[in-house]
Amino acid sequence: AQSVTQLGSHVSVSEGALVLLRCNYSSSVPPYLFWYVQYPNQGLQLLLKYTTGATLVKGINGFEAEFKKSETSFHLTKPSAHMSDAAEYFCAVSTTNTGFQKLVFGTGTRLLVSP
Amino acid sequence: DTAVSQTPKYLVTQMGNDKSIKCEQNLGHDTMYWYKQDSKKFLKIMFSYNNKELIINETVPNRFSPKSPDKAHLNLHINSLELGDSAVYFCASSQGGWSGNQPQHFGDGTRLSIL
Repeated sequence: AQSVTQLGSHVSVSEGALVLLRCNYSSSVPPYLFWYVQYPNQGLQLLLKYTTGATLVKGINGFEAEFKKSETSFHLTKPSAHMSDAAEYFCAVSTTNTGFQKLVFGTGTRLLVSP
Repeated sequence: DTAVSQTPKYLVTQMGNDKSIKCEQNLGHDTMYWYKQDSKKFLKIMFSYNNKELIINETVPNRFSPKSPDKAHLNLHINSLELGDSAVYFCASSQGGWSGNQPQHFGDGTRLSIL
């Protein structure tokens, strides 16, 4: 069964510093991978997705992620953190075991940004 | 225009009561989902409907009964509420449930608190 593991329940960075949120996946078939962001008291918003093709995927708000099959990873990065990036981030893998899409989420990483 | 809207946003009720949450999407998607997010922010799928037909039921207690009157609406009725039902419930939708590469669009959630 497909699954994702997010290392670090909390990541703290200073404003302007590099953001790196880690995600490793387990999948017996080529995976479809997603990163979502959740701001307080809001739903999840898609940041970016990897399906096929280019392994470096660019998303909204300056985020990007690189699919590395050899490392089974899909880490999320942003060169320079803003205060507004403080939120909960979820990595997810799409499974279609039953023929229909089901998203399996990681446990989330809270990004804290300090001035 | 809100793409996926849920009502109510907050629901406070007593143990043993019955309550419903409504969800509507105006994206023209044919697949809708219910997720439960617990106090540790872990997200787990509960149900999925494709064109009004139940396609995913993740061993949820039968006190939970989803209903889809049309493909733009998916409601969730919960009987005999228990303390463990306290959580945030998210509705989501996507296009083409057969294809795993389509992102899901989430509502803002319904925060259910059982007293």
